[in-house]
Amino acid sequence: AQSVTQLDSHVSVSEGTPVLLRCNYSSSYSPSLFWYVQHPNKGLQLLLKYTSAATLVKGINGFEAEFKKSETSFHLTKPSAHMSDAAEYFCVVSDSSRGAQKLVFGQGTRLTINP
Amino acid sequence: GAVVSQHPSRVICKSGTSVKIECRSLDFQATTMFWYRQFPKQSLMLMATSNEGSKATYEQGVEKDKFLINHASLTLSTLTVTSAHPEDSSFYICSATKGAIKQSPYNEQFFGPGTRLTVL
Repeated sequence: AQSVTQLDSHVSVSEGTPVLLRCNYSSSYSPSLFWYVQHPNKGLQLLLKYTSAATLVKGINGFEAEFKKSETSFHLTKPSAHMSDAAEYFCVVSDSSRGAQKLVFGQGTRLTINP
Repeated sequence: GAVVSQHPSRVICKSGTSVKIECRSLDFQATTMFWYRQFPKQSLMLMATSNEGSKATYEQGVEKDKFLINHASLTLSTLTVTSAHPEDSSFYICSATKGAIKQSPYNEQFFGPGTRLTVL
């Protein structure tokens, strides 16, 4: 079965500095991978997705992620953090053995931005 | 747009009572809706998948008689927690897709803001 592990439960960076949120996946199939963001009192929003096309995926709000099969990783990065980036981030894999729609979530990484 | 709402956002109830949570797609028709549960500092766990007009498909370990799901229209799905107990306290999140379930490619799910249930 597919699974994802987010290596940091909490990441704190200063505004204007790079952001790195780490995610490793386990999959018996060619995975589809996603990053979602959850702001307080708002629904989860899709940041970006990897579905076996280009390994470097660009998303919204300046975020991008690189699929590295050799490392089974899908880390999320952003060159320069903004205060509005403070939120909970989830790395997600699609369980293709159960149909492409079943999502398996990581435990989340809380991103704090310091002024 | 693709906006999903949930009502109520918070609910507190006494042990033994039933609670209904609504999930609505506001600007699109949702053939498929999903219900998730999120415990504090934990990830979201899929509880069930519902298709309009048919019975929900529950994930292993989820009691279908306790968590009643109704997807009576293309814009509304409800989750009823029957005879709620303190261990049912959690954050319940729904999502919806614009079209029918497909094996591939991924059909984006649009998430509601969640409902926090506290059972005393």
